[in-house]
Amino acid sequence: NAGVTQTPKFRILKIGQSMTLQCTQDMNHNYMYWYRQDPGMGLKLIYYSVGAGITDKGEVPNGYNVSRSTTEDFPLRLELAAPSQTSVYFCASSHPKETSINSPLHFGNGTRLTVT
Amino acid sequence: KNEVEQSPQNLTAQEGEFITINCSYSVGISALHWLQQHPGGGIVSLFMLSSGKKKHGRLIATINIQEKHSSLHITASHPRDSAVYICAVRLRGNEKLTFGTGTRLTIIP
Repeated sequence: NAGVTQTPKFRILKIGQSMTLQCTQDMNHNYMYWYRQDPGMGLKLIYYSVGAGITDKGEVPNGYNVSRSTTEDFPLRLELAAPSQTSVYFCASSHPKETSINSPLHFGNGTRLTVT
Repeated sequence: KNEVEQSPQNLTAQEGEFITINCSYSVGISALHWLQQHPGGGIVSLFMLSSGKKKHGRLIATINIQEKHSSLHITASHPRDSAVYICAVRLRGNEKLTFGTGTRLTIIP
């Protein structure tokens, strides 16, 4: 299993540009998450999904959109990039056991995004 | 006040020392996670706890639900243990995790 795969690893955007951060997992996990990590801050939840076709907002959803058309893929879209979106983005997934709400998380390697 | 507080923020120790990292939280939880973030940025899940104690190799995690406190211990520390250790809690009845800001551990040879 490849686990959770994120692309790209690095990206520089100009203000107002748009892009999609890709996330795919091959572990048949129902739960998938997008987090951002700013220097000196804890991970903040942007959006999450409990299964294909279902998404919900996290703590910091403004400026982002997601979709979950398949179990494997959970892309994160930035429509009009702003400097405040400069951050490191992590995708994660968790196991679909009956108690999956309490299952360990599997993280992608992160995407370092700079908006100038 | 953050719902999850970690201490210390930074810790430097000599190789071989016993390490303790603490995590306190202020609300009822269903589970607590300890994560390790390597210098390269990748995040690995170390433990998930809802009670008691878990051990994996030189790492030990404990949780006291009544005191709303968890500790991560590393025995016989090694420079490869240098990383940021992150505590995260899952609130009762909630699919989301709340993260602490992490403890940066540096082990000197």
